[in-house]
Amino acid sequence: KAGVTQTPRYLIKTRGQQVTLSCSPISGHRSVSWYQQTPGQGLQFLFEYFSETQRNKGNFPGRFSGRQFSNSRSEMNVSTLELGDSALYLCASRTRSLNTEAFFGQGTRLTVV
Amino acid sequence: AQTVTQSQPEMSVQEAETVTLSCTYDTSESDYYLFWYKQPPSRQMILVIRQEAYKQQNATENRFSVNFQKAAKSFSLKISDSQLGDAAMYFCAYRSPDTGANSKLTFGKGITLSVRP
Repeated sequence: KAGVTQTPRYLIKTRGQQVTLSCSPISGHRSVSWYQQTPGQGLQFLFEYFSETQRNKGNFPGRFSGRQFSNSRSEMNVSTLELGDSALYLCASRTRSLNTEAFFGQGTRLTVV
Repeated sequence: AQTVTQSQPEMSVQEAETVTLSCTYDTSESDYYLFWYKQPPSRQMILVIRQEAYKQQNATENRFSVNFQKAAKSFSLKISDSQLGDAAMYFCAYRSPDTGANSKLTFGKGITLSVRP
């Protein structure tokens, strides 16, 4: 069974641009969560999608948004990029059945210059 | 809101020796899940071990075991017979009960473990 796939692996963007990151969950997993990892703030929860609906949202500005498609693939978008958005963005999927754990992708390293 | 604290930023262990990584958490919930994740230089978070709060028995996975003290809100990870491949960043994480409301993980800051040959 293929794992969680995130694309692209690396990305360099200029301040003010926007970016879209993609996450394909493990087959059969309908819940997708996104996290931002930085050296200063550590791992912070961005949002979770389940059945194409956002179920939970972390404390991030509205520039951070996401969506989920009917095949459970998810995208997150960051508009008007700031230098502080440079981070590793991790995606995790799980089945949402009781007592199951999340599986992570390898992340997308975003650098804003 | 739940918080997870890992107070040791770095630890080092000799190959084949045992090391214990500490984690404390704060919550008002009585049922929850605790996890230890490993993040090697490849960046992928790998689940090491999990503990359900309603289970009194400490979880064990091969060389990895936990010491779960619910009253003290402590969840430490013991790595026995340390191997070079254990060198990585380790994160302690908390998740609320499976009410269907969310899958959010709350992470500690992590600890960098180095293994000396």
